[in-house]
Amino acid sequence: QVQLVESGGGVVQPGRSLRLSCAASGFGFPNFGIHWVRQAPGKGLEWVAVMGSDGSTKYYGDSVKGRFTVSRDNSKSTLYLQMNSLRVEDTAVYYCARDIWVGDQKGFFDYWGQGTLVIVSP
Amino acid sequence: EIVLTQSPDTLSLSPGERATLSCRASQSLNSNYLAWYQQKPGQAPRLLISGASTRATGIPDRFSGSGSGTDFTLTIGRLEPEDFAVYYCQRYGPSPPWSFGQGTKVEIK
Repeated sequence: QVQLVESGGGVVQPGRSLRLSCAASGFGFPNFGIHWVRQAPGKGLEWVAVMGSDGSTKYYGDSVKGRFTVSRDNSKSTLYLQMNSLRVEDTAVYYCARDIWVGDQKGFFDYWGQGTLVIVSP
Repeated sequence: EIVLTQSPDTLSLSPGERATLSCRASQSLNSNYLAWYQQKPGQAPRLLISGASTRATGIPDRFSGSGSGTDFTLTIGRLEPEDFAVYYCQRYGPSPPWSFGQGTKVEIK
């Protein structure tokens, strides 16, 4: 069965860095786009970043552009999110989610991980 | 950027009642690329509907989606106890940002 498992969350001070991982199993990882979506405590969903199945297409939300970098290792079926210059407002549960990434049908998520909590606090 | 506005923010209903949730886009959505998700407390979102009206695998037929252009609706035919949750609409398509609505909470009356 399809599984996505996030890890790497924790408590970090503002300005520091953190790297999240999303380990995938149960499907052909190289054939799918994988996104990061976050949810601040008690708030709604915010799309963060994506790496396409081609391994080169990357997009970022405006709130993280220039600070976060997404990458993937197809040999490990794992997606990463390198988060630099973290801010208090980056505090959230970070989910990875699968995208069929076909034609112009990009950006909807058929499977999600359970999320990892990032807390940015002085 | 396309903004999605959901209404109402909260819907208070009893089990067995019909729920109607609205999602309005600030611009017309190409090919009706609109998805709906359900999220229960402490859980990840779950895909319910894509293409405005196509149920995802395993989603009961009491969930239905409709609409086109800028106005979309998620209807839950008869609420079951497990349907009380927060529902999000989301636009997708060839280019980002792939934005979400602010959510509608369906709570027990």
